[in-house]
Formats: sequence, C-alpha cells, structure tokens
Amino acid sequence: DAGVTQSPTHLIKTRGQHVTLRCSPISGHKSVSWYQQVLGQGPQFIFQYYEKEERGRGNFPDRFSARQFPNYSSELNVNALLLGDSALYLCASSLATGGRAYEQYFGPGTRLTVT
Amino acid sequence: AQSVTQLGSHVSVSEGALVLLRCNYSSSVPPYLFWYVQYPNQGLQLLLKYTSAATLVKGINGFEAEFKKSETSFHLTKPSAHMSDAAEYFCAAPRDAGNMLTFGGGTRLMVKP
Repeated sequence: DAGVTQSPTHLIKTRGQHVTLRCSPISGHKSVSWYQQVLGQGPQFIFQYYEKEERGRGNFPDRFSARQFPNYSSELNVNALLLGDSALYLCASSLATGGRAYEQYFGPGTRLTVT
Repeated sequence: AQSVTQLGSHVSVSEGALVLLRCNYSSSVPPYLFWYVQYPNQGLQLLLKYTSAATLVKGINGFEAEFKKSETSFHLTKPSAHMSDAAEYFCAAPRDAGNMLTFGGGTRLMVKP
C-alpha cells in the first residue's frame, strides 16, 4: 500500500511569492495534518483537516491556509513568503481525529527554500 | 497545554553501547506519548506508542521506552546501538483534544564505530 505522498519534493521560491504544497493521504485515511519543521527543530503543528473541515490550527499567521478535497487530499498554501518560511513541510494522515490513539503517518515532506 | 522537552540535542554512543534518549512531559498525565525517528531527508517514522495499557513499551528496531509518572518522563532506550540507529529522534504528545501532536526539539543520535 502506498504511504503518504507529498509534492513537490523540493521547491525554491523568492520572498513575497506564493506557494502551494500538496499531500495525498494513505487510502482510507480521512484526516490530514500539516507540520512545519525548521532546520534543527522539532515539527510544529500548522493545521488539521478531517472530512474537509478544519479541526485544528496552530500558532501560524493568516498567510498560511489549507484545504481538504473530497478525495481527502490536501493543499497547504503560503502567501507573501518570508525567509523564515524556509523549512521542511510535513503532511501526516490518520484514520480519524476523535481519539488521541489515532496514529499519524508522515510523508517524506516538501523542502521549501525561500531566497 | 502539553509541552514536551528532550534533554540533549546531540547524543553520541559507541556501537554496541546503551542508547538513552530523554523525554519529559510538562503537565497532566497524557493518555498517549510517542517516539518518532527521522532519517536524513526523510519523514517521521513511528518507533513506539504509550497508551497507558503498560508502562514499558516495546517498539521497532529493538527500542523500548518506560513511562514514569513520578518523574514525568518517557525515556527511550536500546541495549546495544547499531550504526543504522544514527538518526534524529523526536518525542511527541497530543496537544490537547484530538490527535494533533506537539513535539520535543529532537535529539540527534550519533553512533561511533
């Protein structure tokens, strides 16, 4: 079975530009979460979606937005890129969100570099 | 809100030596705790999960962790390090409701031949 897939693998953008990152969850998983991992730090929670509805939001500015599609895939959008947005963006999927035991399965990430 | 602290951003051991990576949680006893491993240029892989069913949890690749409420700790151990264990290790706990996670800062494990 395919795991969580993310595209693109790497991306280089200029300050002020916009970027869209994509994630496809494991088949049967209805929840997708996004995390930002700055070099040398642990991942920071950005968003969680379940059944196309936002279920959680981390402490990130409004420049960050996301959505989930009927097939449960998801997009993370970042507007007006800053140098500090350079990071590995991880997508994780899980069966649901109702119980804390629902394990999250992570994709390989998208490495975003802002110059 | 729950927070997780990992003591030691870098740990170096010799091949065959004991591995001990430290994790402490901050607030009320979490119902779940996780250890993840991240190999270079890869995503996170679940090593093991504490679910309050047992305080000693066994995971993949010979790792285990013990939940100690009195010490608010969930340290990760492996009796004998292998070169392939070199990676970044993260401890994580549920943020609040649901299964969104808060992670520790990570510990980079280096294994010397």
